[in-house]
Amino acid sequence: ETGVTQSPTHLIKTRGQQVTLRCSSQSGHNTVSWYQQALGQGPQFIFQYYREEENGRGNFPPRFSGLQFPNYSSELNVNALELDDSALYLCASSRGGDFNEQFFGPGTRLTVL
Amino acid sequence: AQTVTQSQPEMSVQEAETVTLSCTYDTSESDYYLFWYKQPPSRQMILVIRQEAYKQQNATENRFSVNFQKAAKSFSLKISDSQLGDAAMYFCAYRSARGPPMLTFGGGTRLMVKP
Repeated sequence: ETGVTQSPTHLIKTRGQQVTLRCSSQSGHNTVSWYQQALGQGPQFIFQYYREEENGRGNFPPRFSGLQFPNYSSELNVNALELDDSALYLCASSRGGDFNEQFFGPGTRLTVL
Repeated sequence: AQTVTQSQPEMSVQEAETVTLSCTYDTSESDYYLFWYKQPPSRQMILVIRQEAYKQQNATENRFSVNFQKAAKSFSLKISDSQLGDAAMYFCAYRSARGPPMLTFGGGTRLMVKP
């Protein structure tokens, strides 16, 4: 059984640029959630995708957007990057309808200069 | 909105001893789930233990157990026979049984284990 994977591991961007982060869900999982973890803080929920549809969103502006593909992998897109977007971005997958256990990926460290 | 508070930024324990990490939460709901996650230095978050609010019995997973006090909105994690591999950030998290399927995390507690 393959776990949750994320790419890239690290990324450096400048203010105003756009970035795409990728996540492959664990085998058999059709739900992907994205979280932002600023340094020294707990993760904050960005949004969740279930069967290719957005299924809940946290308190993040529209410049944070996402996609889920037919194979249930997912992308997180952030436009007009700001310095405060520097964080670890975590992806978590789970089975549809069973939101109790989310399996996390290793994260993508985004630095905005 | 629900909030989760971990009042201990850092804790230290001697190997083989017991340590308790604290967590309190605020909610007006009666049906929800609580979790403890471990995030080792390698960053991958791992579920340690979970508790359904409707269950009175405290959850236990090997050396890990919780003390769930629903009226007090308290959910502490006890680690028995601490091991060097237990050193990590520990996050308490809340999920409503209704509404958006999101986890609300506390700020975390860094656990250090001394040999």
